[in-house]
Amino acid sequence: QSVLTQPPSASGTPGQRVTISCSGGSSIIGSSTVSWYQQLPGTAPKLLIYSNSQRPTGVPDRFSGSKSGTSASLAISGLQSDDEADYYCAAWDESLNDYVFGTGTKVTVL
Amino acid sequence: QVLLPESGPRLVTSSETLSLTCTVSGGSIDTHYWSWIRQAPGKGPEWMGYVYRSGNSDSSPSLKSRVTISVDTSRNQFSLRLTSVTAADTAVYYCARVVAPTNDAFDIWGQGTFVTVST
Repeated sequence: QSVLTQPPSASGTPGQRVTISCSGGSSIIGSSTVSWYQQLPGTAPKLLIYSNSQRPTGVPDRFSGSKSGTSASLAISGLQSDDEADYYCAAWDESLNDYVFGTGTKVTVL
Repeated sequence: QVLLPESGPRLVTSSETLSLTCTVSGGSIDTHYWSWIRQAPGKGPEWMGYVYRSGNSDSSPSLKSRVTISVDTSRNQFSLRLTSVTAADTAVYYCARVVAPTNDAFDIWGQGTFVTVST
């Protein structure tokens, strides 16, 4: 059981904005930076956000990340059918001395 | 363009040792930290550990007694050894590059190798 909790599912229609939350304790999100990954079926996870809000080169600015206290969020604006995937948050847990991935959120485009 | 092809057996017998190698193609292994991450069927990713060019490494507390991650800079490769495997170790194993200089995420991943542990 991960110490980073995400809603199991989220959905929206094309063009809508969808937000995914990631909750953790003070020893993890409160003390570390958060990253976000997108995983399409049968493929490796792809980095969308690192250091809470930084986008790697090539990631569209429709994806944005934020962190406040012991929670973080990923927002997807202008939702597209290609965004249908599993999304994971991740961060370093200082108390466990371990890098932890969240429970995952499946995004469905209606 | 940096690519991370993985190599190694896809089938390992229970109680034996799983060994995989990742080759850093199109870049130098000297510039980043490198990690292994696995994902069991239907589950989320699980970080296994990291290694640096110096050989300095660390691993997840849950796997520390069974995991060794090493580096061969002359071959631009790093490797994973997981001992005493069981069916619970059946998973897709990914090698990945750690983002520099923040070292807080993984920006390049291998294609993944599905390893089955047979009983």
